[in-house]
Amino acid sequence: GEDVEQSLFLSVREGDSSVINCTYTDSSSTYLYWYKQEPGAGLQLLTYIFSNMDMKQDQRLTVLLNKKDKHLSLRIADTQTGDSAIYFCAESMDSGYALNFGKGTSLLVTP
Amino acid sequence: EAGVAQSPRYKIIEKRQSVAFWCNPISGHATLYWYQQILGQGPKLLIQFQNNGVVDDSQLPKDRFSAERLKGVDSTLKIQPAKLEDSAVYLCASSQTPQETQYFGPGTRLLVL
Repeated sequence: GEDVEQSLFLSVREGDSSVINCTYTDSSSTYLYWYKQEPGAGLQLLTYIFSNMDMKQDQRLTVLLNKKDKHLSLRIADTQTGDSAIYFCAESMDSGYALNFGKGTSLLVTP
Repeated sequence: EAGVAQSPRYKIIEKRQSVAFWCNPISGHATLYWYQQILGQGPKLLIQFQNNGVVDDSQLPKDRFSAERLKGVDSTLKIQPAKLEDSAVYLCASSQTPQETQYFGPGTRLLVL
């Protein structure tokens, strides 16, 4: 599929907010996802948003969706060192609903 | 609820050898996916099963890769013969239906020398 774009790297201080951005490709995607991958581990689903929503909040996580610009963002409030990981944005593709992933954003949280 | 299980966790082989990976999805999940994740990239779909039938294998290099899910539960992915560029993490995921959330296993890390 076409590329889902993400910035590759983000560094924040502990306690600050992190914002990870993503531009997706398919305007007909039904769901958009954020997955977290820690070193040597599989993908952990963090949250997802249905395409008819603008925003979704789940504890420290806030997802914003701008369908017009095909832009998705993940905000992590009060970022902790345990949040250091790679974050993947993914869209569900039309046929079969398999996921089309971005290359991931490496988040580094410094004390 | 048990998650998606994969084995082995690590495998090192020489090029031109064969290798097989196994996946046991979450109980009751009819849809199973195999993804390939090359270092520094996001996962790419290789094949999608619905029960024991193939939904999408358009990205599977069929000259060397094969996959099956004979009884609609466990699945195996085989590479024969392996090339250096097959070095990657092979991730299995499952969902109750294609439209529902996919849950990923820990992956099998393959290194081809």
